Amino acid sequence: KQEVTQIPAALSVPEGENLVLNCSFTDSAIYNLQWFRQDPGKGLTSLLLIQSSQREQTSGRLNASLDKSSGRSTLYIAASQPGDSATYLCAVRENNAGNMLTFGGGTRLMVKP
Amino acid sequence: DAGITQSPRHKVTETGTPVTLRCHQTENHRYMYWYRQDPGHGLRLIHYSYGVKDTDKGEVSDGYSVSRSKTEDFLLTLESATSSQTSVYFCAISGSVGMEGPGYLLDTQYFGPGTRLTVL
Repeated sequence: KQEVTQIPAALSVPEGENLVLNCSFTDSAIYNLQWFRQDPGKGLTSLLLIQSSQREQTSGRLNASLDKSSGRSTLYIAASQPGDSATYLCAVRENNAGNMLTFGGGTRLMVKP
Repeated sequence: DAGITQSPRHKVTETGTPVTLRCHQTENHRYMYWYRQDPGHGLRLIHYSYGVKDTDKGEVSDGYSVSRSKTEDFLLTLESATSSQTSVYFCAISGSVGMEGPGYLLDTQYFGPGTRLTVL
């Protein structure tokens, strides 16, 4: 059974710092990996999706990398801002017919002004 | 916003009563999902649908049933609610058919705003 782990569970940084969030998964036979952001009391917002054949994806200040063979992904946030404060979740899709995702527990990020 | 709404947004009910949550989409996505989110457990899949009247179980399906009679609606029913079903429920969609424009990738899952259910 696929297990997805995110470390650290919580992170507090000063504004302007570059930071890295980690995601690991136990079964490397994934189809893709997706990073989400969740604000308190809200739904999930998709940030980046990396296909298994890709090594990284970028969107603005966000860069996600994928090393499928080692079962790892990182989300890099450049020049963090207080508005980046949220919980970040990674999820993997295995080669299944239903596009189903297995989620990690999330990293709760606080960026202090 | 991928055109997903959930209703109700909040509900308090008593143990043993039936509850139905509704997910409605306007984007003609093929796949629809119901997840629950609980502290310490993260997001877990309850049921999903891969087309009208085509559904299957997820990781935590016991005590739940679903129905999808038309593309845009996916209903989650708790036949007899229990306190262990107190949770936040999220609907998600993916697999756009005929969608065009940036941001609507086939594999990306888009989530609704959630329904907070409390079973007393």
